[in-house]
Amino acid sequence: AQSVTQLDSHVSVSEGTPVLLRCNYSSSYSPSLFWYVQHPNKGLQLLLKYTSAATLVKGINGFEAEFKKSETSFHLTKPSAHMSDAAEYFCVVSDRSGGYQKVTFGTGTKLQVIP
Amino acid sequence: GAGVSQSPRYKVAKRGQDVALRCDPISGHVSLFWYQQALGQGPEFLTYFQNEAQLDKSGLPSDRFFAERPEGSVSTLKIQRTQQEDSAVYLCASSLEKFWRLNFGPGTRLTVT
Repeated sequence: AQSVTQLDSHVSVSEGTPVLLRCNYSSSYSPSLFWYVQHPNKGLQLLLKYTSAATLVKGINGFEAEFKKSETSFHLTKPSAHMSDAAEYFCVVSDRSGGYQKVTFGTGTKLQVIP
Repeated sequence: GAGVSQSPRYKVAKRGQDVALRCDPISGHVSLFWYQQALGQGPEFLTYFQNEAQLDKSGLPSDRFFAERPEGSVSTLKIQRTQQEDSAVYLCASSLEKFWRLNFGPGTRLTVT
């Protein structure tokens, strides 16, 4: 079975402070993992992806995530939040359960950045 | 290069009307997904195509929802006898399966009045 749990529905940080958005996954297969960002009334944009290469993945806009198999986690971090980071973030798992690509979204984390 | 396109971008339907939403995936992409995103929620899986074969339709909420991809490229999601609870953004995504990444279209915002 495949599932994604985003542990926080809302996260609020001050501008210039670190960001941590938590994600745990479950997959019976070797999964690929992604983080997507969605700004208000905008489409989904890929931030970064893990596909069984390096476990520390760097994405756009200074975001990175670390794949930890032992903890089944793929948390998203950024050292210093910017006002433009305010958006909704989705953790996504993809694997080949059932013999074809299956993709599941987490419920999302809304990031608020306080000036 | 051209991304995934969807049309119409906005659709207002009266309750009970039928609607058809179109998705043009990136050329050559084998996999095509439809998702439904209600206001304030994450995208929920509806259905998956590999070329023209609909391999998974477990997410379709009722038999009023029907999707097709007859030639393995363009896909249409049809909703019959629309209800207010069908109001949502319908997202289409395609991927070159082995690379896993989903390329999303801009979505169609359906409002049922």
